[in-house]
Amino acid sequence: KAGVTQTPRYLIKTRGQQVTLSCSPISGHRSVSWYQQTPGQGLQFLFEYFSETQRNKGNFPGRFSGRQFSNSRSEMNVSTLELGDSALYLCASSRSLADNEQFFGPGTRLTVL
Amino acid sequence: AQSVSQHNHHVILSEAASLELGCNYSYGGTVNLFWYVQYPGQHLQLLLKYFSGDPLVKGIKGFEAEFIKSKFSFNLRKPSVQWSDTAEYFCAVKGDSSYKLIFGSGTRLLVRP
Repeated sequence: KAGVTQTPRYLIKTRGQQVTLSCSPISGHRSVSWYQQTPGQGLQFLFEYFSETQRNKGNFPGRFSGRQFSNSRSEMNVSTLELGDSALYLCASSRSLADNEQFFGPGTRLTVL
Repeated sequence: AQSVSQHNHHVILSEAASLELGCNYSYGGTVNLFWYVQYPGQHLQLLLKYFSGDPLVKGIKGFEAEFIKSKFSFNLRKPSVQWSDTAEYFCAVKGDSSYKLIFGSGTRLLVRP
């Protein structure tokens, strides 16, 4: 069974631009969560999607948004990029909202110049 | 609010040495506990998990962890480390009424051959 895939793996943007990251969960998994990983803040929860609806949200500004499609694939969008948005963005999937075990993808490394 | 503390940020060991990484959490209710590992250049992988039952759980690659409820701890152990165990280790907690994984700040382990 294929794991969680994320595209692109690396991305370089400049301040003020916007970016869209993509995540394909494990087949059969319907819940997708997004995390931001930085050296200073560690791993922080961004949001979680299930059945095309955002179910939970972390403490990030509204510039961070996402969506989920009917095939459970998810996208994350960051608008008006700031230098501090440089991070590894991780996607994790699980079978359902109630499933405690999450499987992580390789991440997208975003660098904002 | 939930929080997770990992006391050791950097650990350096020689091969065959024993390993114990500390993890303490704060949460008043029932918790699900996890240890994840991130090898250099690779994605987060689940080492082991505790949901209920026997507080001593065994994971992959010879790792084990013990849940001590009275101490709010979930320390990771391995009797004899190998060079290939060089990685960053994350403890994570999910409360029974919470929707998100809370991660510790991580411990970077370097095993010298």
